[in-house]
Amino acid sequence: AQKITQTQPGMFVQEKEAVTLDCTYDTSDQSYGLFWYKQPSSGEMIFLIYQGSYDEQNATEGRYSLNFQKARKSANLVISASQLGDSAMYFCAMREGGTSYGKLTFGQGTILTVHP
Amino acid sequence: DVKVTQSSRYLVKRTGEKVFLECVQDMDHENMFWYRQDPGLGLRLIYFSYDVKMKEKGDIPEGYSVSREKKERFSLILESASTNQTSMYLCASSSPRTSGSSKLDTQYFGPGTRLTVL
Repeated sequence: AQKITQTQPGMFVQEKEAVTLDCTYDTSDQSYGLFWYKQPSSGEMIFLIYQGSYDEQNATEGRYSLNFQKARKSANLVISASQLGDSAMYFCAMREGGTSYGKLTFGQGTILTVHP
Repeated sequence: DVKVTQSSRYLVKRTGEKVFLECVQDMDHENMFWYRQDPGLGLRLIYFSYDVKMKEKGDIPEGYSVSREKKERFSLILESASTNQTSMYLCASSSPRTSGSSKLDTQYFGPGTRLTVL
């Protein structure tokens, strides 16, 4: 079974609009971490935002926020006021509590295209 | 800023060649990782290392080996390259979570090496 599922292969958004990228996860651990990365066409993976399973508040980093719904096992990324430079592949990843040395499991990714 | 560098952005090799992919990080991180990325499959872990000369297999280690002789350098070796190893290879590094905040084990990535095996 997939541990991280990103059901949207591609998403389109108008510049300056908000967009939500979906991520659901599957784990039996109580302690885990969820990460979002951005991968522009250049190829480098850029860390965006982190949410710990015990964090009571949703994580925010500038225009990025994480809509964390623990009971639903979802960790959706919300990008507000989209910019043309946000066009990229976005990956959701999970670090499980019992995983040694911080190993991550990645989803398949979502390609976001921002239209002017 | 964390800096992870990889020896090549693009590499073309022939079937059967021995291929070395090098990764260097400048943040004194204990953990280093090698992933391959293929369309529709996301990133899959090949090998990782948690200390000098220590290594563990990831999810897809077959056909690969690694070497970590110095803390800052982690090498991925394809002993005999095959066409099904044509892929994007990404290196990452992180500190151990025991350092404090759980966020500290965030992995930081290099720019990637796009390897083509003909």
